[in-house]
Amino acid sequence: GESVGLHLPTLSVQEGDNSIINCAYSNSASDYFIWYKQESGKGPQFIIDIRSNMDKRQGQRVTVLLNKTVKHLSLQIAATQPGDSAVYFCAESSGGSNYKLTFGKGTLLTVNP
Amino acid sequence: KAGVTQTPRYLIKTRGQQVTLSCSPISGHRSVSWYQQTPGQGLQFLFEYFSETQRNKGNFPGRFSGRQFSNSRSEMNVSTLELGDSALYLCASSPETGRYTFGSGTRLTVV
Repeated sequence: GESVGLHLPTLSVQEGDNSIINCAYSNSASDYFIWYKQESGKGPQFIIDIRSNMDKRQGQRVTVLLNKTVKHLSLQIAATQPGDSAVYFCAESSGGSNYKLTFGKGTLLTVNP
Repeated sequence: KAGVTQTPRYLIKTRGQQVTLSCSPISGHRSVSWYQQTPGQGLQFLFEYFSETQRNKGNFPGRFSGRQFSNSRSEMNVSTLELGDSALYLCASSPETGRYTFGSGTRLTVV
């Protein structure tokens, strides 16, 4: 069955460093990928998304890389700040008549001042 | 622009009872999805509605149901509550599909 998994459950970085959060997916039909950030007591917050016809997309301090060959997705956060501390989820959708996101288990990012 | 509003924020129910959760999507968004979040299973898809029609349903028992109204507001209902139904229930809306905006969720505790 389809699944989206994360390589590392926790990541601890120093303030100012760059962070990389990885995600593997297994569904070859996945054509849309999205990263969410979830802070304690809040719902997931959209960070960045990418479609399967792209391999890189940049936002403000964030970059998502997609490697369809190995079914791997990563989120890079530049100059990580304490406010970036949260759980990060990747999710995928196979579009068509799917209409749902399949989420990974999440990575807890802790930024040390 | 107002975000996705879920009510209530917290609920405590007894086993065997039923519960109804409400979600008001972002204005103009016609797709509403529901997810269950637990520490053990993470975020799991419940169902998705578009223009009052359920287009997809996750692998949950029939005790979990939902509906969408003509104004795109949505409700989900859980009947015959079990302890394992304790979770954060999240609603998300989208203009069509893909970039979903989530609400803050309803924290349901079944005792």
